[in-house]
Amino acid sequence: IAGITQAPTSQILAAGRRMTLRCTQDMRHNAMYWYRQDLGLGLRLIHYSNTAGTTGKGEVPDGYSVSRANTDDFPLTLASAVPSQTSVYFCASSAAGRSDTQYFGPGTRLTVL
Amino acid sequence: AQKITQTQPGMFVQEKEAVTLDCTYDTSDQSYGLFWYKQPSSGEMIFLIYQGSYDEQNATEGRYSLNFQKARKSANLVISASQLGDSAMYFCAMMANAGKSTFGDGTTLTVKP
Repeated sequence: IAGITQAPTSQILAAGRRMTLRCTQDMRHNAMYWYRQDLGLGLRLIHYSNTAGTTGKGEVPDGYSVSRANTDDFPLTLASAVPSQTSVYFCASSAAGRSDTQYFGPGTRLTVL
Repeated sequence: AQKITQTQPGMFVQEKEAVTLDCTYDTSDQSYGLFWYKQPSSGEMIFLIYQGSYDEQNATEGRYSLNFQKARKSANLVISASQLGDSAMYFCAMMANAGKSTFGDGTTLTVKP
């Protein structure tokens, strides 16, 4: 069982380019999340999905979009990358709700120049 | 709005001793979960322990225990018998629902031999 996979592992991107970060889980979890972690800081929620077909905005959604076409996949898209989006991006999933542990992917390190 | 405060940017502990990492939180929700995660230098996020807001007993997981004081809105992590491998960043987090997931800025723990 792989758990949660993210791709790519790292990426250097020119400002203004479009980029999709991929996230796949094999645990059949209902809820999925995207976070960004800036250097030396905690995680901030970008977008989330309670179940396939639904998405919601987190604390820092501007400049990002997500989709949840099925249970397993939750891609994050940067439509036009800016340097302030340089960060480590973590995808996570949980069975559902506030009492369920979030399991995290290994992260994607994104640098926007 | 939810908020997690970790007031100790860095902590040192002698190997085999116990250490307490502080976490206070603020929320208007009545029902929520509190979590601690460990992030070693390799970058992955590792779940350690969970406490529900209605749980009357403090959570324990091996060498980890959570000192939950609801009236004071604190959820401190206690690590007993520290090991060199405990050196890492530790994050306190809270979730009221999938759209309300908040992390603190973390505490860097260094275990001295």
